[in-house]
Amino acid sequence: LAKTTQPISMDSYEGQEVNITCSHNNIATNDYITWYQQFPSQGPRFIIQGYKTKVTNEVASLFIPADRKSSTLSLPRVSLSDTAVYYCLVGDERGDSSYKLIFGSGTRLLVRP
Amino acid sequence: DVKVTQSSRYLVKRTGEKVFLECVQDMDHENMFWYRQDPGLGLRLIYFSYDVKMKEKGDIPEGYSVSREKKERFSLILESASTNQTSMYLCASSPGPKLFFGSGTQLSVL
Repeated sequence: LAKTTQPISMDSYEGQEVNITCSHNNIATNDYITWYQQFPSQGPRFIIQGYKTKVTNEVASLFIPADRKSSTLSLPRVSLSDTAVYYCLVGDERGDSSYKLIFGSGTRLLVRP
Repeated sequence: DVKVTQSSRYLVKRTGEKVFLECVQDMDHENMFWYRQDPGLGLRLIYFSYDVKMKEKGDIPEGYSVSREKKERFSLILESASTNQTSMYLCASSPGPKLFFGSGTQLSVL
């Protein structure tokens, strides 16, 4: 089961680009990498998912190097409302198509004015 | 939009009570999950299930059981609630590695 490691916390200022890196050394061939955002008293919300290279959507970009042992979530021009906890998840698909999805401890991002 | 509905937003129970937390999803997802979240500890997996055929323990199954008699409904059962089970409980469903979460149930055991 691929375990993930992320920085515990990060600070940034409004308008800056924020990059959060996740390490997943034991990622398996079939595993996807997914990032979630969580605000207090809410369930996590899907941000972006990728398998390799680069994925971009309207919210963020995800960079995955060729060895797939890490990934970087990039948030362009953050605002105060991006203050949240960000989780990196590596999907563990088993042979029967079921998934066992374990969260790491997440990165608490604080965006300052 | 996928909807994952947890039956209660807040619940207060007494020590020793049997507690049922219900979760229903409307997208025919095979996979369903129960997590608990405590301050500073992130989300911890209690149980997960693949359709009605399979239920499996996560990292912290002690004191919990689950039921999945129908594909859309996944119930978490606290056989005899204890104060250390006071927590936020989050249900999720997924067709694959992308999870869709309910709003959570904040359970207080007194």
